[in-house]
Amino acid sequence: DTAVSQTPKYLVTQMGNDKSIKCEQNLGHDTMYWYKQDSKKFLKIMFSYNNKELIINETVPNRFSPKSPDKAHLNLHINSLELGDSAVYFCASSQVASTNTQYFGPGTRLTVL
Amino acid sequence: TQLLEQSPQFLSIQEGENLTVYCNSSSVFSSLQWYRQEPGEGPVLLVTVVTGGEVKKLKRLTFQFGDARKDSSLHITAAQPGDTGLYLCAGARGSARQLTFGSGTQLTVLP
Repeated sequence: DTAVSQTPKYLVTQMGNDKSIKCEQNLGHDTMYWYKQDSKKFLKIMFSYNNKELIINETVPNRFSPKSPDKAHLNLHINSLELGDSAVYFCASSQVASTNTQYFGPGTRLTVL
Repeated sequence: TQLLEQSPQFLSIQEGENLTVYCNSSSVFSSLQWYRQEPGEGPVLLVTVVTGGEVKKLKRLTFQFGDARKDSSLHITAAQPGDTGLYLCAGARGSARQLTFGSGTQLTVLP
């Protein structure tokens, strides 16, 4: 029944490591997103894919690389993790229309030590 | 600089009180959404307003879109502890797929 799912829920890792977060949606939506929510709860878009094609790429270090193998999946790979990468990362999906309602996953809390 | 500023940032009230949260911008939006986020979960859509001056009600929650489509408010009547959460407004511009989220209002309703 889960609409947008992410794994893992928690991720604790050392600085310098490489890690991936996976996202899947079963809503049949054509657009998927990655957001970063910082400690002040500000939600900032990182990437957006429409039908496996990158359409939004905000100012994000190139250590972050999204990959969309198909419309239902959007993964986020992070190289050489830094302390400042610690945050909650949310995946979302939408079927783009005039109002663009987004459905969010439960989030992945990344802690870099 | 935030494109969408929410106020207040934090709000703690007693059960039964009324409250209003504001979402302000100098930009015009084609639509504006309100989401609620609970701890450990992702934001969940409450409502979308599209027309300037539009008012929508969702039980004890009343949402209004400003006439100029630059601002919005959320009013909660007789708040309950279950209303506790982070309230986020988000604006869409034109046909852009991108939503711009507000700075958030953390609401705590004490029993």
